Amino acid sequence: AQSVTQPDIHITVSEGASLELRCNYSYGATPYLFWYVQSPGQGLQLLLKYFSGDTLVQGIKGFEAEFKRSQSSFNLRKPSVHWSDAAEYFCAVGPRGAGTALIFGKGTTLSVSS
Amino acid sequence: DGGITQSPKYLFRKEGQNVTLSCEQNLNHDAMYWYRQDPGQGLRLIYYSQIVNDFQKGDIAEGYSVSREKKESFPLTVTSAQKNPTAFYLCASSTGQKNTGELFFGEGSRLTVL
Repeated sequence: AQSVTQPDIHITVSEGASLELRCNYSYGATPYLFWYVQSPGQGLQLLLKYFSGDTLVQGIKGFEAEFKRSQSSFNLRKPSVHWSDAAEYFCAVGPRGAGTALIFGKGTTLSVSS
Repeated sequence: DGGITQSPKYLFRKEGQNVTLSCEQNLNHDAMYWYRQDPGQGLRLIYYSQIVNDFQKGDIAEGYSVSREKKESFPLTVTSAQKNPTAFYLCASSTGQKNTGELFFGEGSRLTVL
């Protein structure tokens, strides 16, 4: 079955420290991969996406993610976290070219301490 | 500006009542989606539509209904058959052509059953 696993429900990071949010997926083939961010009571905003090519992708707000086919992972990273990064982060996967809906992980809540 | 508009943002209903959530987009997207979000559960797909006058059930369609009479609009009705309707509902759209799966989200509607 197709699924996305975000192992960490809640992570707390000190402001200025580095961040890595984990995402593993189970899929029949290499899917399209996404990271979204959600502030409380808001919709989701796309941070970055991987379709093909370079396995290290850059996104908005200084985030990057690396696709590792051998590990079925797509971890999100940021070298220095800002207090405004506190939010909920969702990893999602989707089929290539089929036009069906994305499958989302359960999310990781990021808290930033000063 | 192009985007997705969901209304109302907050809605209260009594048990046994049907309620309709509105979703309108001016992005000229072919595909539209409804997701339900509960704390710690991530996003779960209710219904999606890839083209006008056609829609498919998602993972949790029971107790919900949709229509897609216009490209711009994809309303969701939460019926009295939905046993636990209190949740945050998110509408999204995607291009549907050479679909890369990237979703654009509205700001959400929070439904509370009293």
